[in-house]
Parts: sequence; C-alpha cells; structure tokens
Amino acid sequence: GAGVSQSPRYKVAKRGQDVALRCDPISGHVSLFWYQQALGQGPEFLTYFQNEAQLDKSGLPSDRFFAERPEGSVSTLKIQRTQQEDSAVYLCASSLSIGGYADTQYFGPGTRLTVL
Amino acid sequence: AQSVTQLDSQVPVFEEAPVELRCNYSSSVSVYLFWYVQYPNQGLQLLLKYLSGSTLVKGINGFEAEFNKSQTSFHLRKPSVHISDTAEYFCAVSDRPSGNTPLVFGKGTRLSVIA
Repeated sequence: GAGVSQSPRYKVAKRGQDVALRCDPISGHVSLFWYQQALGQGPEFLTYFQNEAQLDKSGLPSDRFFAERPEGSVSTLKIQRTQQEDSAVYLCASSLSIGGYADTQYFGPGTRLTVL
Repeated sequence: AQSVTQLDSQVPVFEEAPVELRCNYSSSVSVYLFWYVQYPNQGLQLLLKYLSGSTLVKGINGFEAEFNKSQTSFHLRKPSVHISDTAEYFCAVSDRPSGNTPLVFGKGTRLSVIA
C-alpha cells in the first residue's frame, strides 16, 4: 500500500514568508508526528496528534510554528514569518494505533525547507 | 530526558567487510531502542528494534544489533556490507514501546561502502 507522503518535497521561501507543509499519513493510522531535521543532525520531535487531537506540542520551537489535523487524517505544519534558522527537513511519521505494543512509526520522505 | 549518542559521524568501510555502528543511550528504567536507515532523498526506514526479550535483535538487510544494559549500548552490526548499504543510520530511543511515543534520535552515522 501507499506509504506516508509529503508535499512539497522542496520549498524555498524568502525570510518573513509563511509556508505550509502537508503530510498524508498511511490510511487508517491514528498517530501522526512531525519532526525537524537540521543539516547534519538527527530528527527532533515537534508535535504529536492522535486523530484530530494535538496531544503534545512541546517540541515546537516558537509560536510561529502551528500544526493541525482537522479531520484526523491529513496534517499541515505551518510556519509563519520564516527565519533562516527554520531551514531544515521536516519529516512526518504515522503509526497505526494509539498505544499498541511494538507499533512502528513510518516516515515520509520529508520536505526540505530553505529560507533565504 | 533521554538522549542518544552515536560516536561516529562517518564510517568508511570496504565492500564485503564487517561493520559496527555504535550507539549509546542515557540510562533509564525502561528503554526501547531502534535503528533507522535513511537513503538519499528518502524517509527513514526501520531496520530493527529492541522492545524486550532476547538482547540480540535481527533486522532487515542482514543487520543485527545487541542490547547491552550494563554498557547502555545498542550497537548495529553487519558481517559483510554491500555498496547498497551506503546511507545514513540513526539510533533512536523511546521510554515506551508503543507507536504513539515520540522518538529521540542520535545525530546519525554516515556509512560509506567503498568498492
């Protein structure tokens, strides 16, 4: 079946612009995560959804970052007034259940954001 | 907070030679460990995971890892690498085994297999 998809794959923004990054999780997956991967670093957690509920947003670096998943499937990560330090690859991951033992997170290919 | 240290940022190795990628984690009462691989322009793919039971875990593509609680390590090994194993490898830790828990990743190790 289809995996996690993300769009756009590449995004170039001028400093100060707003951007929206989309994630389509695997159909039926309840849990959805956003991670940020800076150049040369491992992914870092941003936020977590269980269906449409945002249960953890402790990793969002500032109030310029906002995520939503209104219908419990597709999710959008929005960054307002982008800054150069926002340049990174944004990864989306989904998993099947809300707490199933041995459940696995499946990752999308990521969106590479470059802020000029 | 949990943390993961991958001691080597880059590991070059000749084709058909063995390889070990090192991973150490911060000690915790409960720990669950993962290795992911990232090929260029692709998402992370799960290689293997340790949740409980046998400390030697076998994964895909001939990789295996051993959980060592006393040394707080979870090193990844392969007895004979192939050119196609060239990729970035990430070790990750979670404090719960379920799929609804954020993962904490190391900085990654770039494996380069030389023909």
